[in-house]
Amino acid sequence: QVQLVESGGGVVQPGRSLRLSCAASGFTFTSYGMHWVRQAPGKGLEWVAVIWFDGSNKYYADSVKGRFTISRDNSKNTLYLQMNSLRAEDTAVYYCARNKHHPDYWGQGTLVTVSS
Amino acid sequence: DIQMTQSPSSLSASVGDRVTITCRASQSISDYLNWYQQKPGKAPKLLIYAVSSLQSGVPSRFSGSGSGTDFTLTISSLQPEDFATYYCQQSYSTPYTFGQGTKLEIK
Repeated sequence: QVQLVESGGGVVQPGRSLRLSCAASGFTFTSYGMHWVRQAPGKGLEWVAVIWFDGSNKYYADSVKGRFTISRDNSKNTLYLQMNSLRAEDTAVYYCARNKHHPDYWGQGTLVTVSS
Repeated sequence: DIQMTQSPSSLSASVGDRVTITCRASQSISDYLNWYQQKPGKAPKLLIYAVSSLQSGVPSRFSGSGSGTDFTLTISSLQPEDFATYYCQQSYSTPYTFGQGTKLEIK
């Protein structure tokens, strides 16, 4: 069955960096694009970024453009989100999701807290 | 960017009720409209994609309709496990925006 497991979350100071990972299994990772979606505490869902199956295209929300980078290692079946210059408003649970023209399967999420 | 507006923001209903949630896009998104269900502390779950296609394993009491800019999610007969927050999302163009959510509560 499809499994997506995020890791790398934690508490980080404003202005610092953090890298999230999403380990995929149960499907052919190299055939699917992947998303990152986040949810601030008590708030709704916010789409963050998407990467094509082969890494050839990447798109970002304006709120993270220039600070976050989505990438993937198809040899390791792993998706990444490099988050730089973190701000308090980046505090959220970050989910990775498989793309089948839309996010279909989601991981359980990893919490990122940006606080001094 | 395409704005997605859901209504209502919250809704109280009883088991067995028929419930409809609406979602409006700020421009036409063809049939690139998806619905998700989220329960507290859990990841979102895909219910319906491409306006009206039921995701595998989702009960048939869930249905979707609409086109262009106006869409609806209908639950034909509410069950206790359906009390949750529902989100629409457009996958027509990036950024793939979500609606603000509709919280469905027990009356």
